[in-house]
Amino acid sequence: EVQLLDSGGGLVQPGGSLRLSCAASGFTFTSYAMSWVRQRPGKGLEWVSAISGSGGSTYYADSVKGRFTISRDNSKNTLLLQMNSLRVEDTAIYYCTKDSDTAPAGAFDIWGHGTMVTVSS
Amino acid sequence: QSVLTQPPSVSEAPRQRVTISCSGSSSNIGTNAVNWYQQLPGKAPKLLIYYDDLVPSGVSDRFSGSKSGTSASLAISGLQSEDEADYYCAGWDDSLNGWVFGGGTKLTVL
Repeated sequence: EVQLLDSGGGLVQPGGSLRLSCAASGFTFTSYAMSWVRQRPGKGLEWVSAISGSGGSTYYADSVKGRFTISRDNSKNTLLLQMNSLRVEDTAIYYCTKDSDTAPAGAFDIWGHGTMVTVSS
Repeated sequence: QSVLTQPPSVSEAPRQRVTISCSGSSSNIGTNAVNWYQQLPGKAPKLLIYYDDLVPSGVSDRFSGSKSGTSASLAISGLQSEDEADYYCAGWDDSLNGWVFGGGTKLTVL
């Protein structure tokens, strides 16, 4: 069964850091791009970051550029999101998603259950 | 303000047909494929339509997608109460070099 298990969320103070993980199973991890998509409380979906199947290309939304870093460990079928300099407006559910293509240009065909990040003092 | 524009809400009676529009520009919908996602209350989103008009395996054929120029539409026929959800369009934007979403449309089945 194709599955994404995202984890690592929690409560952090403004200016702090957090690292999200996503464990993938049931498909050839290196063959597909991956993304993080977030949803602020009561709001719509917002794409955060993407990475190609090889990990050689990364993409970021302007709202997180310079603060967040996406990476993948293809030997462990794991997607990561390092979040630094966190702001109150980063509070959201973060979803790990699988792309249907090697490059981030297909569709998010599999979604994790989401992990909640709360940035508050 | 979302890059792709959707109506905030639509409503229709059971067994009827409803359409949800998604308006973009030449850098996103006009050039790249549009995907649609359904988010049931309290759940993670799910892929509903991909590459403008393709239906993933396991998704009801009551759902269909279309695109013309810089606009796309999602149609749902034979409305059922379980279709009540938020629907989002999305696509790759060449100018932003990233994915963009619509603001979402809440469907109410009267």
